[in-house]
Formats: sequence, structure tokens, C-alpha cells
Amino acid sequence: AQSVAQPEDQVKVAEGNPLTVKCTYSVSGNPYLFWYVQYPNRGLQFLLKYITGDNLVKGSYGFEAEFNKSQTSFHLKKPSALVSDSALYFCAVNFGNEKLTFGTGTRLTIIP
Amino acid sequence: NAGVTQTPKFQVLKTGQSMTLQCAQDMNHEYMSWYRQDPGMGLRLIHYSVGAGITDQGEVPNGYNVSRSTTEDFPLRLLSAAPSQTSVYFCASSYSAGNYGYTFGSGTRLTVV
Repeated sequence: AQSVAQPEDQVKVAEGNPLTVKCTYSVSGNPYLFWYVQYPNRGLQFLLKYITGDNLVKGSYGFEAEFNKSQTSFHLKKPSALVSDSALYFCAVNFGNEKLTFGTGTRLTIIP
Repeated sequence: NAGVTQTPKFQVLKTGQSMTLQCAQDMNHEYMSWYRQDPGMGLRLIHYSVGAGITDQGEVPNGYNVSRSTTEDFPLRLLSAAPSQTSVYFCASSYSAGNYGYTFGSGTRLTVV
């Protein structure tokens, strides 16, 4: 079965520093990978996706993610964190079927 | 453009009561789905639909029913509410299930007492 893991429940980064939120997925076929962000009392918002092609994908709000097939990872990154980036981040994986499987989420806190 | 609209935003039910959570989208998306969000468990897929008249079960379908009579609407029915169904419910839609991002509604916070 397809699965995705977010090994860190919480990540804290100082404002202006680079940030990384980790995501790994189970090995099975060629996955479609996604990142979503959830602000308090809101629904999830789509940030970016990897379908095929370049391993580095760019998304909304200055975020990017790097697909690494050998490590089965899809880490979310941003060069310089903002306080407004504080939120709950979800990685999700789809193996070309009708089901999108989400990780358990990582709470990102940017410290002013 | 409203996107995905969920109603109600909040609901308290007594054990054994039934109710319907409404979801409507105005983007002509074929794919729609329901998730529940619980602390520490991320989002879990309840039911999904790839088009009008077609529905299927997700990861946690027990206690929930769905139907899709139109492209726009995808209601979720709780047949006999249980405390274990206390959760935040999200509806999402997309052009297709696989390689498009989803648009989410703002959620329904349900408490079963």
C-alpha cells in the first residue's frame, strides 16, 4: 500500500534561516508527490507537486521541494523563513490511482 | 469564484443521531473526496467520487455514506453518529485524482456527545 511519512512532528527555525520539512514515501511505482499547508482553522492549500521531470520543483510563497528517487524523499525547503510561514505542513503521495494519502503533518514554527 | 463550500462549519450531535455534511464546488471538477482530520493522524480518506454517479470507499468508510447525483455536490451522511466520529471533516475537489492539486473546503468541525 502507498504510504508517506513525515518524521518530524515539529520543526522550529529562526526567521531568515533556511527551513526544511522532511517527507519520505513507500517504494512502489512512480509516485505523484504533493505538499499542502494548513493555517489555523482553515482548509489545506496546495503548495507544489512533483509529477515528472526536474527533481527540484518550485511552488507558492517561495517554497520548493526536491524529489530524490534513490532516497524516496520529497523534502520541502525555503531559503529564508518568514514568521508568516508558521503553519501545519502535509506531504501527500499518489501512485496514479484515485487515492491521495497524506502524512501526519509537521508543525512549522518560525521564531522572530 | 467560491471554490469548495462546506456547510455547516460547526455541529454538535448526540450519539445515534444522523446528519448530512454538505459539500459543493463550482469549478466543474470531476473528482471529489471527503477526509477526516484527527490529531496525530493526518488526513484519512473516507469516500471519493470520480464523477457523477460514481463513488468508492477510502481508508475509513465505516459509518459514512455518500452519493454523487451532480458534478457540483458531494454530501457525506453520518448514519448513526458515534463519539469516534468526532473530528474535522474536509471536502476536496480536483480535475482528476492523480496529478492535479486538490482544492479544499474550510472544513466542518463535528462533535458527537
